[in-house]
Formats: sequence, structure tokens, C-alpha cells
Amino acid sequence: DVVMTQTPVSLSLAIGQPASISCKSSQSLLGTSGKTFLNWILQRPGQSPKRLIYQVSKLYSEVPDRFSGSGSETEFTLKISRVEAEDLGVYYCWQGTHFPYTFGAGTKLELK
Amino acid sequence: QVKLLQSGAALVKPGASVKMSCKASGYTFTDYWVSWVKQSHGKSLEWIGEIYPNSGATNFNEKFKGKATLTVDKSTSTAYMELSRLTSEDSAIYYCTRSAYWGQGTLVTVSS
Repeated sequence: DVVMTQTPVSLSLAIGQPASISCKSSQSLLGTSGKTFLNWILQRPGQSPKRLIYQVSKLYSEVPDRFSGSGSETEFTLKISRVEAEDLGVYYCWQGTHFPYTFGAGTKLELK
Repeated sequence: QVKLLQSGAALVKPGASVKMSCKASGYTFTDYWVSWVKQSHGKSLEWIGEIYPNSGATNFNEKFKGKATLTVDKSTSTAYMELSRLTSEDSAIYYCTRSAYWGQGTLVTVSS
């Protein structure tokens, strides 16, 4: 199975500060279609996960543009340009290129 | 809008089975794969498997073969997952998802 390794485990940031989360996969996520199925989701406390980014860098329509995704092959990054209160929660990367789909262990974003 | 409405929490005895549902609305049910994901208490996410409602085709995480059975009822746009021979390790929240839309989750507690 593809192992997804996220760092850091947690982040404590003040509102307005930038955030960066790394996600590394144990094998390339570039699929035979030429697409890379690396996704990011956010799980706020007590809620189900919500979609953020798909195929490395594509934001879903409702996601604020302070979020961005980048990377390729095995190394990926989620960035928040300026953290807001509603951004707190646990961020997961997950891959949909190889069966079984697998998730990172999560990065908890707390507000300082 | 796309909605996935899952069945309520279940308390089941060890060795028993449980069947949960995921009722879809706001899109053509037969056009999209529906996945099921497990989240053990305070932990990360595990992909169980997926089903294509139009044909009933499935893909499974090897870890959950023999544990989970996926079915659909096209007439009611509902996906089902049955878990068998339950143990305490099966106590978790189970989510259904469709292309980045997530249900609210079903809490399963296995206890005598």
C-alpha cells in the first residue's frame, strides 16, 4: 500500500500567519492517465471531512483562494496564505491513484 | 446540491453484523462510485472500498475483504455497507463519500 507521510503532526499559528503542510507518498502518484490523484481534505472538530483540493492543486469552488496546493510525483504541499479562525481542524492528504486509496495521518491546525 | 445522508448510530454485540445506509440526492446516483471510509476514535482514515451503482462493480481494500459487503438500491439511490463478525476493533465512525462529498458518518459501537 502507498504510505502517505504528513508533517508536521500539529501546527499552532496565530490568525493571519501562513501555514504549510507537507505530504510525501511512498511511490509516485502520477497515474497512467497522466493525472495525479492527490487530494486534501479538512476535518473540523466534530464534523465529517470537507473537500479542499483535488489533483494536487485544483481548488473546489467553495474553497477560499488563500488555500493552495502544489507538488508532483511523491512530494506535495498545502499552503494557507493567511490562517483564519475557520481553518482550524485536521488536514489530511490522501491518494486516489493506487488501490487501496490511502490517507495521511493528519496535521492538526490549532490557533495560538 | 449533492447530499449523502447516512443512517444513525448503532450499538451492536460482538460477533453480530450491522448494515448501514447512505442515501444520495442531488445527482445521478448511478454515475458515480461511492466509497466507504473508516475512522477509528481519534485516528486517521482508512479506505474500505467502493461500489459503482450502475453495475454493482466493487473494489476493496484487502484488509476489509470478508469484513465489509457493499450493495446499492438504485430505486432509492441508496448505498449500503454491511460489516460482519464484529469485534471491538470495528468500533468507529464510517463515512460514505462520492467524489469529495462526504456523508455525516455513522457511529458503530461494538459492545456486549
